[in-house]
Amino acid sequence: QVQLVESGGGVVQPGTSLRLSCIMSGFNFREFTLHWVRQAPVKGLEWVSVISFNENDKDYADSVKGRFTISRDNVKDTLYLQMNSLRPEDTAIYFCARGSASYLHFDYWGQGTTVTVSS
Amino acid sequence: SYLLTQSPSVSVAPGQTATITCGGDNIGSESVHWYQQKSGQAPVLVVYDDTDRPSGIPDRFSGSNSGNTATLIISRVEVGDEADYYCQVWHTATDRVWVFGGGTKLTVL
Repeated sequence: QVQLVESGGGVVQPGTSLRLSCIMSGFNFREFTLHWVRQAPVKGLEWVSVISFNENDKDYADSVKGRFTISRDNVKDTLYLQMNSLRPEDTAIYFCARGSASYLHFDYWGQGTTVTVSS
Repeated sequence: SYLLTQSPSVSVAPGQTATITCGGDNIGSESVHWYQQKSGQAPVLVVYDDTDRPSGIPDRFSGSNSGNTATLIISRVEVGDEADYYCQVWHTATDRVWVFGGGTKLTVL
């Protein structure tokens, strides 16, 4: 079955960096577009970033553009999110998600990893 | 950016029908997708492309979309349906973003 498992979250100070990972299994990883979506405490869902199957196409929400970098390793079946210059408003649960074949929605999600940015 | 508006909460008794709406400018021209998120868990896709259900989702969950409102209908509501429900579209008119509504908390009385 399809599984997505995030790791790398933690408590960090403002201005520092963190790298999240998401190991995926149960499907042909290199065929799918992948995403990061976050959820601030007691808030709704916010799309963060997308990467195409071959890494040629990437995009970011305006709130993270220039600070976050998405990447993937199609050998290790792993998705990454490098987060630099972290701010308190980046505090959230970060979910990795598989993009649907239609590109329009997210068909599988990980359980999330928590990032807390606080001094 | 494109805004999706959901009512914060809906309450229904077990066995009744829950109606959760998602408003957006001409949302009927978009494909709308719905996610269920139970407390402390990851979101789960329950309806995609306005009306389709992923395998394993009971047919009590259905969707519609027209004009400025998309709707998720949960028939014969069960206690286990209590969750937050989010609508979502992929909006490309001005920028390429995946947009979520603010979520609706379904309480089963």
